[in-house]
Amino acid sequence: NAGVMQNPRHLVRRRGQEARLRCSPMKGHSHVYWYRQLPEEGLKFMVYLQKENIIDESGMPKERFSAEFPKEGPSILRIQQVVRGDSAAYFCASSPWNNQPQHFGDGTRLSIL
Amino acid sequence: ELKVEQNPLFLSMQEGKNYTIYCNYSTTSDRLYWYRQDPGKSLESLFVLLSNGAVKQEGRLMASLDTKARLSTLHITAAVHDLSATYFCAAASFIQGAQKLVFGQGTRLTINP
Repeated sequence: NAGVMQNPRHLVRRRGQEARLRCSPMKGHSHVYWYRQLPEEGLKFMVYLQKENIIDESGMPKERFSAEFPKEGPSILRIQQVVRGDSAAYFCASSPWNNQPQHFGDGTRLSIL
Repeated sequence: ELKVEQNPLFLSMQEGKNYTIYCNYSTTSDRLYWYRQDPGKSLESLFVLLSNGAVKQEGRLMASLDTKARLSTLHITAAVHDLSATYFCAAASFIQGAQKLVFGQGTRLTINP
């Protein structure tokens, strides 16, 4: 049973470009969570989604960031007009139900030039 | 608002010694997780603690939970070099039906021969 798959593993963007991060949850998991880890810090919650619904986006910056989890395909975290401060590791986690332990992917390391 | 604090943040110890990492959280939480992270890697789940007085052990690591004191500990017995990593605790916060994990800052553990 494949784990949570994130791609790309590393992403380099120039300031002002768009970054798209993808997450395919574990088979049978319909709950997806995105977290951001700045260097030398712990993970911080960004958004929680179920299929076609954003349930809680209280950790998402108000501008430039958006997330979706369509009926078909992976969850996408989209960052528009990236800035240097967006450089971080972005982790996706999934669970079969809301109150079950979350399984983490390997993360996408985003670097902004 | 749930906040989680770990201490120490940095820990350098010799092989064979024992030590404890502390994790305090500010408000009631239903469960407490411990994760290990190696540099550039994802989070590996170590323990899930669900109730007051819970104690779990795996090899040289033992985790405990005191919900009255809002304190969890991760105890390392007779440390070996392979345990060098960053250890995070995370408390679960249930808001609007969503289980969000609130992470501590992490404890970077270095074990010297």
